[in-house]
Amino acid sequence: DAGVIQSPRHEVTEMGQEVTLRCKPISGHDYLFWYRQTMMRGLELLIYFNNNVPIDDSGMPEDRFSAKMPNASFSTLKIQPSEPRDSAVYFCASEEGGRNEQFFGPGTRLTVL
Amino acid sequence: AQSVTQLDSQVPVFEEAPVELRCNYSSSVSVYLFWYVQYPNQGLQLLLKYLSGSTLVKGINGFEAEFNKSQTSFHLRKPSVHISDTAEYFCAVTRNTGGFKTIFGAGTRLFVKA
Repeated sequence: DAGVIQSPRHEVTEMGQEVTLRCKPISGHDYLFWYRQTMMRGLELLIYFNNNVPIDDSGMPEDRFSAKMPNASFSTLKIQPSEPRDSAVYFCASEEGGRNEQFFGPGTRLTVL
Repeated sequence: AQSVTQLDSQVPVFEEAPVELRCNYSSSVSVYLFWYVQYPNQGLQLLLKYLSGSTLVKGINGFEAEFNKSQTSFHLRKPSVHISDTAEYFCAVTRNTGGFKTIFGAGTRLFVKA
């Protein structure tokens, strides 16, 4: 298995633009997580899904952020409009329920100018 | 709610020396505990986990951790570090009674010097 795949690996955009981050979880994993990592705030859980259904989105910072999981092999995290304070590394992780091990993707480094 | 405190933000150590990275947690319910490692420009990967049973847990790359319920600690240790162990290490906790919200500590940067 190729592991968790994220795209793009790097994204540079201007304030006000829409940004879409993509994630393909490991096949057979029924949990998917989106995290944000910054120097100031560390690793924060934004939202997680179980069987494509959002379970807890309490970490989503504000309405500018949205996440979807239309099927078991694909998820998106969208920021619209983006702001400079959204600059961070965004990780997607997946887990097979009950195994207690999250597998992380390589991350997307987002820079909002 | 659960919380995790990693007591050291940075730990410099010479190659082949032993190292201990400290982690304390807080929870009103029973928990599972984890250590993850993050190498530069990569995602996190699991080093080891404590679910139940023996309080001494062995992981990959020669690391081990000991769960101490009375001290609410889960310190990570390695008897002899290598340059390649230079990375950021995260302690994490999740409740063992359902739900998958894992809380991560702020991380400890281990820097191994030659």
